Parts: sequence; C-alpha cells; structure tokens
Amino acid sequence: AQKITQTQPGMFVQEKEAVTLDCTYDTSDPSYGLFWYKQPSSGEMIFLIYQGSYDQQNATEGRYSLNFQKARKSANLVISASQLGDSAMYFCAMRGLIQGAQKLVFGQGTRLTINP
Amino acid sequence: DAGVTQSPTHLIKTRGQQVTLRCSPKSGHDTVSWYQQALGQGPQFIFQYYEEEERQRGNFPDRFSGHQFPNYSSELNVNALLLGDSALYLCASSYLLEQFFGPGTRLTVL
Repeated sequence: AQKITQTQPGMFVQEKEAVTLDCTYDTSDPSYGLFWYKQPSSGEMIFLIYQGSYDQQNATEGRYSLNFQKARKSANLVISASQLGDSAMYFCAMRGLIQGAQKLVFGQGTRLTINP
Repeated sequence: DAGVTQSPTHLIKTRGQQVTLRCSPKSGHDTVSWYQQALGQGPQFIFQYYEEEERQRGNFPDRFSGHQFPNYSSELNVNALLLGDSALYLCASSYLLEQFFGPGTRLTVL
C-alpha cells in the first residue's frame, strides 16, 4: 500500500520569501513517482513538478523545486520568491510505476497563504 | 489544444437519485481516471479506464460505475446517491506517466 503524509494543514508566508511544503511517503514499490499539484479555489488540480524514484537529481521547474531525500522518504516542495498567486491548496501525490498501477495516492494537502 | 473538460460544472441531486458525470480527455490521451475529493480532503481514486475497460479500481462501492467510449471520453455514474457522495469529482487523463486534471464537477446531494 502507498501512503502520503502532509503534516502542515496551513502555512503563512510573506510575499517574496521562499517556502517549503513537507511531504513524506511510504510504499513497498521499488519504482515510483512523486508529484506535486496546486489546487486554487476554482478546484482544478494543476501539475507542478515530478520526481522519479531513480532520478539522480532533484527536479526543478521554474520557481518550483523538489527536495527528494529517498532514505528519509521525503519529497518536499520548495517555492522560491513566493507570489500572491501562489496562495492555494498544495497536494503531494505518488504512484507506483509498475505497469497498470497508475492510480495517484494523495496526501491531505497544505493550504498556503501568501501575505503581501 | 483543449485540456481535460468536464460537465456539468455543478450539480444538485437528492438522496436516492442517480447521476452521470462526463469527461473529455486531453487530445492524444487514451486513459481516464476518476477521483472523488470530499471537502477538506485529498482526492481519492475511484477507477481508471483504458481501451474502454476498467483497468483499476479504488475502494468504492458498486454504486459507482463508469464507461469509456471509443473516442476515449468517459462517464462516471453514481446510483442511489447518499449525502456522503457530495464532493468534487475530478477526471484526469493521461498518456504514459503524467496525469492532467479537469476542472471537476461539484456534486451536492440533499
């Protein structure tokens, strides 16, 4: 079974500061992928960044980076230079990469609020 | 290139009724997954369709059923609605690894 834990229900950050959203995971799959999604109040899940379990380097996408520590089973999202538009729910998710095992397992989410 | 689309946007039903939600995948995507997101929770996987067959199913009762058409679009059907079925229903389409989500259908059961 796979499990995602996000321990921060809410985070408040000043605009332009960096923020780290925590995510730990548990899985018995030897090969897996980790995802972060942003969900604004409109409801749509917006893909931010992906990290494969065998990737040697941490993933980066613009202002987003994923701090992947495989031994600790953590996959924290780092947002640099936060903006007011970053205020939203953020979900960490994972899926096994065995053929057919395509479902995403999500955490409870973290509500990020960026203050001006 | 249109992304994933879902209809309707909002829906209000009463207990015991049946509902059908629709999803059109992103162009080039052949796999559709459905998720239920209760208020304040993360999405929960309902099932996934590929080549018009249910490939994987989450822990949801048989009241939840689906269909995928030859053009890869999909429907989610829920019978005998319960108050607890009130949620945001998200459709995601994929080709290989990455899943793209639609805007969701917000279902309210009274």
